[in-house]
Amino acid sequence: DTAVSQTPKYLVTQMGNDKSIKCEQNLGHDTMYWYKQDSKKFLKIMFSYNNKELIINETVPNRFSPKSPDKAHLNLHINSLELGDSAVYFCASSQDSGLATYEQYFGPGTRLTVT
Amino acid sequence: DQQVKQNSPSLSVQEGRISILNCDYTNSMFDYFLWYKKYPAEGPTFLISISSIKDKNEDGRFTVFLNKSAKHLSLHIVPSQPGDSAVYFCAVGGMDTGRRALTFGSGTRLQVQP
Repeated sequence: DTAVSQTPKYLVTQMGNDKSIKCEQNLGHDTMYWYKQDSKKFLKIMFSYNNKELIINETVPNRFSPKSPDKAHLNLHINSLELGDSAVYFCASSQDSGLATYEQYFGPGTRLTVT
Repeated sequence: DQQVKQNSPSLSVQEGRISILNCDYTNSMFDYFLWYKKYPAEGPTFLISISSIKDKNEDGRFTVFLNKSAKHLSLHIVPSQPGDSAVYFCAVGGMDTGRRALTFGSGTRLQVQP
């Protein structure tokens, strides 16, 4: 039983296209995140949602828009894809309860390649 | 501007020996420190954590040490096993920052030789 799942695992697309990555967690957590792992291997926070409300929106282009239809899902939609968007995107979740917030569970990642 | 630094991109140790992974951070507002382990094509997995009120936390073969004055964190693995071969990320969080997100280092690739 996968705790945090992402689809698709691999995504190859052309510049200018619009794509979505889906994330679901079955842990009953109330906070979900999107992280981006760039070419230098740093994992950087993009967005954080708590109970379907946006609580973190780092300096991410407006082309990226998270959507949380319910507590268990946080999807990432990307418009007008650019070459620099190529990266691995990780979804994560945690329980919003003091320090347990930081013990985050990650999905397997989605490798996005923009050509 | 890197707030969390792992200066060793890779480390190789013999099976049965100790592995020591290091991490430095710059912001004294951080008060929770974690290590994550990552295998290829998988997401990071939480390994062990420590809060700023402690200087040591142990879980089986894994021990995390925190030196707040030096803003330094280390992970000791004893004894090291081939299955420990992975990339280890140091991560920090700070409730006072109002953010629930983690700030990660760039990772250290550990290879344990049989």
